[in-house]
Amino acid sequence: GQNIDQPTEMTATEGAIVQINCTYQTSGFNGLFWYQQHAGEAPTFLSYNVLDGLEEKGRFSSFLSRSKGYSYLLLKELQMKDSASYLCAVMDSNYQLIWGAGTKLIIKP
Amino acid sequence: NAGVTQTPKFRVLKTGQSMTLLCAQDMNHEYMYWYRQDPGMGLRLIHYSVGEGTTAKGEVPDGYNVSRLKKQNFLLGLESAAPSQTSVYFCASTAGVASGELFFGEGSRLTVL
Repeated sequence: GQNIDQPTEMTATEGAIVQINCTYQTSGFNGLFWYQQHAGEAPTFLSYNVLDGLEEKGRFSSFLSRSKGYSYLLLKELQMKDSASYLCAVMDSNYQLIWGAGTKLIIKP
Repeated sequence: NAGVTQTPKFRVLKTGQSMTLLCAQDMNHEYMYWYRQDPGMGLRLIHYSVGEGTTAKGEVPDGYNVSRLKKQNFLLGLESAAPSQTSVYFCASTAGVASGELFFGEGSRLTVL
């Protein structure tokens, strides 16, 4: 079966750095996505990785290792507004997105 | 600058009632999707459409029907609501599958009593 695993919840301190991991087992691979979802709101796109390596976008970076079935989202200089759920999703060989359950990130002052 | 709009935002139904959720997008996107989101689970695809007049089943299609008569609209129907269909429903659209970025509506919270 297809599976996306990510931690259920993480806590970090304002101003610090946090890494959210995602491991996957899917039928084929056509890219990995990270979305941010604030409570009661819609998911919004953060990043897309299809090749191995690190993609940096401001305070957020996303890393992919296809051989290990592994990705992480790195958030730097954490702000209170970063408190949200972070969803990992993989596009399989049929171009369907398989979603993880999400990681709830709690930022403390 | 509407993007993806869902109506209604909230609805309470009794078991056995029917209803339709409407999704409208103004970005001229070909692909549209209906997901449900339940606590502790990832988004699950109900139905999707790759263009006007087309629909296809996703991971959890039972109990739902869809129609895409116009490119900008994607309707999700519940024929006979059941408590197991209590969920938050999200519509999403994208210009192309390869581009990947989905644009989501604000969600519709449905409770079935």
